[in-house]
Order: sequence, then C-alpha cells, then structure tokens
Amino acid sequence: GQNIDQPTEMTATEGAIVQINCTYQTSGFNGLFWYQQHAGEAPTFLSYNVLDGLEEKGRFSSFLSRSKGYSYLLLKELQMKDSASYLCAVRPPGQAGKSTFGDGTTLTVKP
Amino acid sequence: NAGVTQTPKFRVLKTGQSMTLLCAQDMNHEYMYWYRQDPGMGLRLIHYSVGEGTTAKGEVPDGYNVSRLKKQNFLLGLESAAPSQTSVYFCASSRGLVDTPHNEQFFGPGTRLTVL
Repeated sequence: GQNIDQPTEMTATEGAIVQINCTYQTSGFNGLFWYQQHAGEAPTFLSYNVLDGLEEKGRFSSFLSRSKGYSYLLLKELQMKDSASYLCAVRPPGQAGKSTFGDGTTLTVKP
Repeated sequence: NAGVTQTPKFRVLKTGQSMTLLCAQDMNHEYMYWYRQDPGMGLRLIHYSVGEGTTAKGEVPDGYNVSRLKKQNFLLGLESAAPSQTSVYFCASSRGLVDTPHNEQFFGPGTRLTVL
C-alpha cells in the first residue's frame, strides 16, 4: 500500500522561500506528483519527478530522493496568490495511471 | 477546448435518493477517475476507467457505481444516498501510460454534494 505524509499547515511571508515536505512509504514507485489546489477549486498539476534530483520550473522546484522516500516542493519569491493547498501524490507501478494522494499542506502567505 | 467538465456543480439530496454525476472530457484521454474530497483531506479514489467500456474499483467504492459507455464520458451513480456521502466530487482524466510517462491528471471543477 501507500502511506504519504505532509505537514497540515504552513505559513510564510510574501517574498520569502518556503519548502513543503512529503514523505512516502510505498510497495512500489513510479513517479511523484505535486498539485496545487486553491480553496474551492480543482487541483492543477505543478510538477513530476521520477528520478532523483531537482526539477526547476520558474519559481517552483521539486526534489526527489527515492532511497529516502522523500520529496519537497520549493516555492521562491512567494506571492499572495500562492496561498493554496499543495498535494503530494505517488504513482505506483502498473496501476493504470492511478496516484495516491496525501492529505495536502495548506500554505498561507502573509503580507 | 473545455478540458474536463462536470455536471451538476451543486446538489442537495435527501437520504435514500439517487443521482448521477456526469463527467465529460474533450482531450481524447484514455483514463478517467472519480475522487471524493472531504474537508482537510486529500483525494480518495472511488472508481476509475482505463478505457471505454472498462471500469475498476478504487479505495472507497462502496455505495457508488460507474459507467464509461463513451470514451469522453464517465458517470458516477449513487443508488441510495447517505449523509456519509456528503463531499466534493472531482472527476479527472489523463492520457494513459502509453502516450506519456508523466500521466498527470486534469481535474474538473468539482460537484458539491450534500446529503441530508
């Protein structure tokens, strides 16, 4: 099975950097996703990691260590619009594209 | 290109009533999924489909049925609604493993269902 842990809530200041961690324990692994979900809206895809290392995409970066079962999402130059929930999701192999989602981390950006 | 659409957006049911939620996607995606999301929780997979005419159970399938008669549509049915089924329901679709290793999911706007 899959077990995914993320902090429930985080608070950061506009312009700062924040790191949201995700740890997972799985019986197999075929990629890790990060999604952003604003309150009352649908999740939207942010990033995908399947190999160890850092993937950078503008202000957002995602890191993966498969040996440690660990990922983080790094948000730089925080803006008020980054206030949202961030969902970590792990895809097991051979599971028809299914992903198991963590409960999400609610990030509040303050002025 | 509308992406993934869901109808209705809101619905209130009484215990024991039935209803069907409709999901449609215009991206020619092979895979489709139904999730529920309860307050403060992540997405839990109800049922999914890897192609027209096929469906499979997810983590929390009890009390729900699905059908995928057409590739672009995925229907979620509640035969006899219960208060425990009060939730936000999200439909999603993805290309399928053959086309891309990423297989990220594209989500619809959600249906907010209350069962009294």
